[in-house]
Amino acid sequence: NAGVTQTPKFQVLKTGQSMTLQCAQDMNHNSMYWYRQDPGMGLRLIYYSASEGTTDKGEVPNGYNVSRLNKREFSLRLESAAPSQTSVYFCASSGGTYNEKLFFGSGTQLSVL
Amino acid sequence: GENVEQHPSTLSVQEGDSAVIKCTYSDSASNYFPWYKQELGKGPQLIIDIRSNVGEKKDQRIAVTLNKTAKHFSLHITETQPEDSAVYFCAASRTSGTYKYIFGTGTRLKVLA
Repeated sequence: NAGVTQTPKFQVLKTGQSMTLQCAQDMNHNSMYWYRQDPGMGLRLIYYSASEGTTDKGEVPNGYNVSRLNKREFSLRLESAAPSQTSVYFCASSGGTYNEKLFFGSGTQLSVL
Repeated sequence: GENVEQHPSTLSVQEGDSAVIKCTYSDSASNYFPWYKQELGKGPQLIIDIRSNVGEKKDQRIAVTLNKTAKHFSLHITETQPEDSAVYFCAASRTSGTYKYIFGTGTRLKVLA
């Protein structure tokens, strides 16, 4: 039972490069989320998807785009990476009987030089 | 905007002692308050939660209390063990179709053997 799977685990980019973080869940959850975690700032919501076909901005959406490819997959794209986007990124999902419970992936450590 | 303040940022206790982490939220419409534990290199994992119609909830060595009037809620860990060492996050959310949490900034708990 994999839960929420994120790839890659680590990534180093140069300023201006683009990349896509992948996330997939196998729990048949409707809602999926992307958070970033920075020291002393907790977890901040970047984008979320309440259901397949919908996406909405969270607290810190600037510089990011998302795609809810299907019910299982929710990707996060950095079109032109900046050093301020150096962070740990977490994907999460929720749904089913306990819709409020977030299940997190193991994270992607991203460094932008 | 809405926020959740969490204190202390670091906490060291001797094995067997109790640990208390406190959070204050600003959105008076929040009615769901989860606590997440994050071990090194992993994503956060839900350990306990409480809804606004309940004042206290216990699960073995952990308990959460809620004072809705004061907009405070706290995590209590008794008889701490080395495996309790981790970063703990509180969060607040309104219950709706998609749970958009506001997370606290985290508390790093160290249990000294």
